[in-house]
Amino acid sequence: EVQLVETGGGLVQPGKSLKLTCATSGFTFSNAWMHWVRQSPEKQLEWVAQIKAKSNNYATYYAESVKGRFTISRDDSKSSVYLQMNSLKEEDTAIYYCTWNQHGDYWGQGVMVTVSS
Amino acid sequence: DVVMTQTPVSLSVAIGQPASISCKSSQSLVGTSGKTYLNWLLQRPGQSPKRLIYLVSKLDSGIPDRFSGSGSETDFTLKISRVEADDLGVYYCLQGTHFPYTFGAGTKLELK
Repeated sequence: EVQLVETGGGLVQPGKSLKLTCATSGFTFSNAWMHWVRQSPEKQLEWVAQIKAKSNNYATYYAESVKGRFTISRDDSKSSVYLQMNSLKEEDTAIYYCTWNQHGDYWGQGVMVTVSS
Repeated sequence: DVVMTQTPVSLSVAIGQPASISCKSSQSLVGTSGKTYLNWLLQRPGQSPKRLIYLVSKLDSGIPDRFSGSGSETDFTLKISRVEADDLGVYYCLQGTHFPYTFGAGTKLELK
């Protein structure tokens, strides 16, 4: 059974940092292209970042809204993908999901990130 | 960025009746491979989104054939032939052809 479990969310002040982790199981993670998607309090979905597999040189892609502030990375030995979020803004407040959709479509349960002073 | 315009914003349908949602993109979603990466997702209340359809018209595993997708280039439609109670929630279209991938604003399907 494919599982994706996000952790690391919470309440953080503007300008601070937070690192999200998505632990996966049930599929060959080393071949997987992984994504982070977020959903604002207004329920709008926004694609945030993607990381490809080792065979694709771990290529990464970002939404303009997070480029230069967020970094997606992975550890194939732990079947995990990460999202390092720096210089957080109030508009980064959202539920963050990790997703995998190369063979079917799988989403984690999401983790809440609240940026507020 | 590709803008995905979904209509209607909300839809009230009686059980057993059909429903239709439109999604228009600001540019063609035909990729360099010739494939069109247009998906439809459903988010039920309190749950994560779940894909129903990919590549315009292909049903994901376990999705009933009451659901169908059609369209090309910039104009796409999701149809439900007979709405059931389990179909309630918010439907989103998603384009995966051009970076950054972009979602429609959602269509809320409610029971009449």
